[in-house]
Amino acid sequence: EVQLLESGGGLVQPGGSLRLSCAASGFTFSSYAMNWVRQAPGKGLEWVSVICGSGDSTYYADSVKGRFTISRDNSKNTLYLQMSSLRVEDTAVYYCAKSRGGSCYSGNDYWGQGTLVTVSS
Amino acid sequence: DIVMTQSPDSLAVSLGERATINCKSSQSVLYSSNNKNYLAWYQQKPGQPPKLLIYWASTRESGVPDRFSGSGSGTDFTLTISSLQAGDVAVYYCQQYYNIPFTFGPGTKVDIK
Repeated sequence: EVQLLESGGGLVQPGGSLRLSCAASGFTFSSYAMNWVRQAPGKGLEWVSVICGSGDSTYYADSVKGRFTISRDNSKNTLYLQMSSLRVEDTAVYYCAKSRGGSCYSGNDYWGQGTLVTVSS
Repeated sequence: DIVMTQSPDSLAVSLGERATINCKSSQSVLYSSNNKNYLAWYQQKPGQPPKLLIYWASTRESGVPDRFSGSGSGTDFTLTISSLQAGDVAVYYCQQYYNIPFTFGPGTKVDIK
């Protein structure tokens, strides 16, 4: 059974940093692209970032480019999102989501339950 | 960026009736080399993460009831729920994965009339 478990969310002040983790199990983690998608309270879904299977290709939404870094440790089956220079508008539930294939260009077939990041003073 | 729009914003349908949601992309998401539309549909119930229903615009994900179907090509797509059940109350999102950033539509809320 595929499982994705996010952690690391919490309350942080504007300008602060936070690292999210997503522990994966039930599939060959290194073979699949992985995404972060966020949802502000009461709002729709916003794609944040993707890392392709081996981790050599990463892409970001303009809203987080230069502030967030996606990475993966295939030996630990874990996906990360390092967030810095956080803004109030980064407040959201952050989901990790598995791509259907190794290519970045596929839909997301499994999602974690999400972790809430609140940026506030 | 490819802009995704959905219509209507919300709809209320009687149990057992058909629900139709439209999604439009600002540019084609049909990749000519493989003739695939890079378009997915998700269902999100309150307090839950999204669930993949449809990918490649019309391929139903494993385990998804066959009352859910996707159609369309290029820039215009439709998600149809052929016979609405109480458990289908949710927000439905389309997403293109043709170009980065992988943009979502704003969502369509489906309720029971």
